[in-house]
Amino acid sequence: QSVLTQPPSVSAAPGQKVTISCSGSSSDIGNNDVSWYQQVPGTAPKLLIYDNNKRPSGIPDRFSGSKSGTSATLGITGLQTGDEADYYCGTWDSSRSVSYVFGSGTKVTVL
Amino acid sequence: QVQLQESGPGLVKPSQTLSLTCSVSGGSISSGAYYWNWIRQSPGKGLEWIGYIYNTGGTYYNPFLKSRITISVDTSKNQFSLKLSSVTAADTAVYYCARADNWKPNWFDPWGQGILVTVSS
Repeated sequence: QSVLTQPPSVSAAPGQKVTISCSGSSSDIGNNDVSWYQQVPGTAPKLLIYDNNKRPSGIPDRFSGSKSGTSATLGITGLQTGDEADYYCGTWDSSRSVSYVFGSGTKVTVL
Repeated sequence: QVQLQESGPGLVKPSQTLSLTCSVSGGSISSGAYYWNWIRQSPGKGLEWIGYIYNTGGTYYNPFLKSRITISVDTSKNQFSLKLSSVTAADTAVYYCARADNWKPNWFDPWGQGILVTVSS
C-alpha cells in the first residue's frame, strides 16, 4: 500500500493540459523533496522532475512540478500521444519506517 | 553517459534466494558521491524501493524487507548485486537497478531496463 496517494487516472485531448496530484504527510512530502517519473508501458521509469520542480537535461518544459505543504503536483501542457504513460511521484519517508516511497501511480490517457 | 544493466535468473523457486547483478557502464561505480539502488515493480503494481549501497560498501535497506536483503558491490567489476532470501510468489516482480544522488535519494537516474523474476516451483 503506497504512502503517497495519486489519482488512478487522468485524461485529456491532445494539446490540452493535465495535472497529477501526489498527497502525502509531514513525514514525507512535508519535509523532503519530490521527484516524478514517467513509465511508458514495457519500459523502465524515467526521471522527469527532481527537487520538486527541476527538470533534467532533455526533459521539455511542457513538464513542470510544484510542491506545497504535504502535496506535490505534476503538470503536463501541450499533451501529446507520446505522453501516454504511468506517472509516479516519490520522496523520502522520515517516519518510523524510514525509507524511500513512491506514489500509487497515475495513468495518463490522451483522448 | 552512465548506463545500467540487470542480469540474473528469470525463475527462482519458492524459499530459495534471488540473486541479481547490475553492471554499470560509461562511468566508474567508485567515482562520485552516488548511491546504487534496487527497486522492484510487481506485475501491474507500483514501484517499491528495496535499498542501496555506496561505493565504500555502506548499505541501507527498506525496513520491510531488511531481514531478507543483502546488497553488495564489486568495484573491480563495476557491478553491484542484490540477494533476496526466502522468496515467495509475492517477490515476483520486475527488478530495476538505478543510481541515486544521496543517502536520502532526491532522484533515481538512470535506471536499468529491468529484469523480470518469477518465483514459482
